[in-house]
Amino acid sequence: GEDVEQSLFLSVREGDSSVINCTYTDSSSTYLYWYKQEPGAGLQLLTYIFSNMDMKQDQRLTVLLNKKDKHLSLRIADTQTGDSAIYFCAETSYSHAGKSTFGDGTTLTVKP
Amino acid sequence: DAMVIQNPRYQVTQFGKPVTLSCSQTLNHNVMYWYQQKSSQAPKLLFHYYDKDFNNEADTPDNFQSRRPNTSFCFLDIRSPGLGDAAMYLCATSRDRPTSGSPYEQYFGPGTRLTVT
Repeated sequence: GEDVEQSLFLSVREGDSSVINCTYTDSSSTYLYWYKQEPGAGLQLLTYIFSNMDMKQDQRLTVLLNKKDKHLSLRIADTQTGDSAIYFCAETSYSHAGKSTFGDGTTLTVKP
Repeated sequence: DAMVIQNPRYQVTQFGKPVTLSCSQTLNHNVMYWYQQKSSQAPKLLFHYYDKDFNNEADTPDNFQSRRPNTSFCFLDIRSPGLGDAAMYLCATSRDRPTSGSPYEQYFGPGTRLTVT
């Protein structure tokens, strides 16, 4: 079946850039998403990218997609302590009737 | 402002005692989803409704059922909770299924944390 994998932990210093990586297996993936989950809360969509795009920038967030390698990354510039959370990568495709497959999440810790 | 509301936020039930979790939405979205999330794991889709059309995941235990009486509300019923069912349960909605023109992203509620004693 479909699989989405992420590294589990990332620790950075405040003001540095953070890069969270994700790989997926479904070659028919249509959209790829990044969600943020703060403690005790639901998931909040941060950004998404369509599979025919290579890059998308949205303020401090940059998403890079390498479709050949099935690799997605999220770069957070000038990381702040408020960015500390779990970040989930997810993919969806037409063949899955719009259902999303999520990775296990990367816990980002930002040290002051 | 709340768009996807889940009640209660915390639920404690006894082993084997039926429990119902509720979700409501003010977005008028067609699709509603229920996920189970255990610590440090990805949300696992249990089922979803496309309007009134119920779609069960193949590996969702029979112990879990759902009802959607109208567009706004969706319920998750756990008939006989076991210790392994303790988790965060997330409800989400989306306007439609993703198409080439729009991602129709999912909007999540804050979740209900279920404890089974």
